[in-house]
Amino acid sequence: DQQVKQNSPSLSVQEGRISILNCDYTNSMFDYFLWYKKYPAEGPTFLISISSIKDKNEDGRFTVFLNKSAKHLSLHIVPSQPGDSAVYFCAASYNNNDMRFGAGTRLTVKP
Amino acid sequence: NAGVTQTPKFQVLKTGQSMTLQCAQDMNHEYMSWYRQDPGMGLRLIHYSVGAGITDQGEVPNGYNVSRSTTEDFPLRLLSAAPSQTSVYFCASSPGRTSSYNSPLHFGNGTRLTVT
Repeated sequence: DQQVKQNSPSLSVQEGRISILNCDYTNSMFDYFLWYKKYPAEGPTFLISISSIKDKNEDGRFTVFLNKSAKHLSLHIVPSQPGDSAVYFCAASYNNNDMRFGAGTRLTVKP
Repeated sequence: NAGVTQTPKFQVLKTGQSMTLQCAQDMNHEYMSWYRQDPGMGLRLIHYSVGAGITDQGEVPNGYNVSRSTTEDFPLRLLSAAPSQTSVYFCASSPGRTSSYNSPLHFGNGTRLTVT
């Protein structure tokens, strides 16, 4: 059972525009959420996180929004840069040891 | 600072063979874990450890064994390889005793395993 879903396998945006990556989850017990970024032939690296008690967290060009009632979170990248081209994984956890990941969204930022 | 080191980078096995995927971290992290990444499935947790001498099962533990004799090392053993175990395997660690909000995972660069 996939408790964390990223329904868009890929996204393409123009440099300088906004990238919006979406993630839905089914388990209402999840209490924190993270986004990881992965380049080819490398492991995922942590990007940004949010606790379930918040609805927004911002770090530079990256903002994560959480809508608990809709069980939905999104990652906004503004402005998008070619170096942001990567696979982005959404992750969620409810007991600190069992982190569930989505299938990933491949972002391509065109110059 | 090497971080999380996985060896080998690539491996081809025949069905029924056994092997050990190595993982070492030099950050003195308590928590270590193994994930497998399959197309359309994301990363799925195989086993994890919250400290030396302590291991537990994740979401997809069948066919895999782990041990944690030291803080630094967390090897993953495939007992009898099957084609369904063809995947990319990632080892990860975090500074706390859990993979929590305040101590996100640090991943290695992965081992690509093919079982024929």
